[in-house]
Amino acid sequence: RKEVEQDPGPFNVPEGATVAFNCTYSNSASQSFFWYRQDCRKEPKLLMSVYSSGNEDGRFTAQLNRASQYISLLIRDSKLSDSATYLCVVGTGGFKTIFGAGTRLFVKA
Amino acid sequence: NAGVTQTPKFRVLKTGQSMTLLCAQDMNHEYMYWYRQDPGMGLRLIHYSVGEGTTAKGEVPDGYNVSRLKKQNFLLGLESAAPSQTSVYFCASSSGLAGGQQFFGPGTRLTVL
Repeated sequence: RKEVEQDPGPFNVPEGATVAFNCTYSNSASQSFFWYRQDCRKEPKLLMSVYSSGNEDGRFTAQLNRASQYISLLIRDSKLSDSATYLCVVGTGGFKTIFGAGTRLFVKA
Repeated sequence: NAGVTQTPKFRVLKTGQSMTLLCAQDMNHEYMYWYRQDPGMGLRLIHYSVGEGTTAKGEVPDGYNVSRLKKQNFLLGLESAAPSQTSVYFCASSSGLAGGQQFFGPGTRLTVL
């Protein structure tokens, strides 16, 4: 079992739709959680950190469920510019930061 | 403020050749990392450094060496390239281990024939 697992997709959604991604992690001692965005042939960039209480940034909402060991990302009112790969990232302390393989999102006009 | 830069952007090597990838950051970050990214897989940590003069092995260190002679620079070397090292290599830096945001360079696309 991979330490961090994501549905690779692709998710194909129309503009204006709401889409949600989940990510599961295997290490219950994981301490930090992030969503990164990676555009085609570009470097990953931090989208948002994920806090225990959940957090929201505009159209993006991230949630953490420690009991079930998953994090989620909800995107509301999808834009064409949201098309990208979304990487789930889990830190377990020390240097160890595990990146998921990513979920591809395509937003269609 | 350039952030994290990498050179070269693209490179094609023949099996057995050597090369060095250069990463530079201007954010005064203590921590620097080298990752490789392959299709269908997440970023995998090759080596990392927690400060000038220090390096440590990550998840997939075999076939690579690194050096951090200056705080702002982190070099990744391939002594004898193999086709299995065909990948996209990303350098990253951060001000803290694991718990904080990592800033990535634009990547180096390496093909080993």
